[in-house]
Amino acid sequence: GAVVSQHPSRVICKSGTSVKIECRSLDFQATTMFWYRQFPKKSLMLMATSNEGSKATYEQGVEKDKFLINHASLTLSTLTVTSAHPEDSSFYICSAAVGGREGETQYFGPGTRLLVL
Amino acid sequence: GNSVTQMEGPVTLSEEAFLTINCTYTATGYPSLFWYVQYPGEGLQLLLKATKADDKGSNKGFEATYRKETTSFHLEKGSVQVSDSAVYFCALSGRAGGFKTIFGAGTRLFVKA
Repeated sequence: GAVVSQHPSRVICKSGTSVKIECRSLDFQATTMFWYRQFPKKSLMLMATSNEGSKATYEQGVEKDKFLINHASLTLSTLTVTSAHPEDSSFYICSAAVGGREGETQYFGPGTRLLVL
Repeated sequence: GNSVTQMEGPVTLSEEAFLTINCTYTATGYPSLFWYVQYPGEGLQLLLKATKADDKGSNKGFEATYRKETTSFHLEKGSVQVSDSAVYFCALSGRAGGFKTIFGAGTRLFVKA
């Protein structure tokens, strides 16, 4: 089946630094990738939708200058948390979709746990 | 807009008990419905899905039927195991919502030996 990887799986950083999270589709080309944030014991919150070669579409309330998304190829999207603060600590999950109806076939990565000290 | 409501947890069951996790939805048109499972410290895995009314999705002993008349997609399993302990998310995706996946709040299941 389709596999999506994320790197790193866990990262601890100091406040004020930037952190880059990679999302890769390993055995398929993804037309669209999604980035989610999950708070402890809560559901997933969609942050942005990323299409290869174009600017990401951010959900309302998500700061595009703080959460930079780059979708460089059909197999790689990156999320950079700039000038991270403790409130950015969270579990970040990406998903990759194939086909025209992206919501129908979405494959999730294992998640990246970010802790900002 | 589209939304998903699922029963609050946690749900605690003994091994081999019957499981039901209720899920209802509000949507325009005919969305696809999903159940995802998240094991501790991991990402989401698709458990099962149904794409049209009266479809039954099934996997690993779990099943759910797309009921348009009651706008429901309840998850059931006849005999749970300790290894089923996880958080279960009901979700939908449809054309009216731009095919974005809308998740329910999640229901945590604990299965005791």
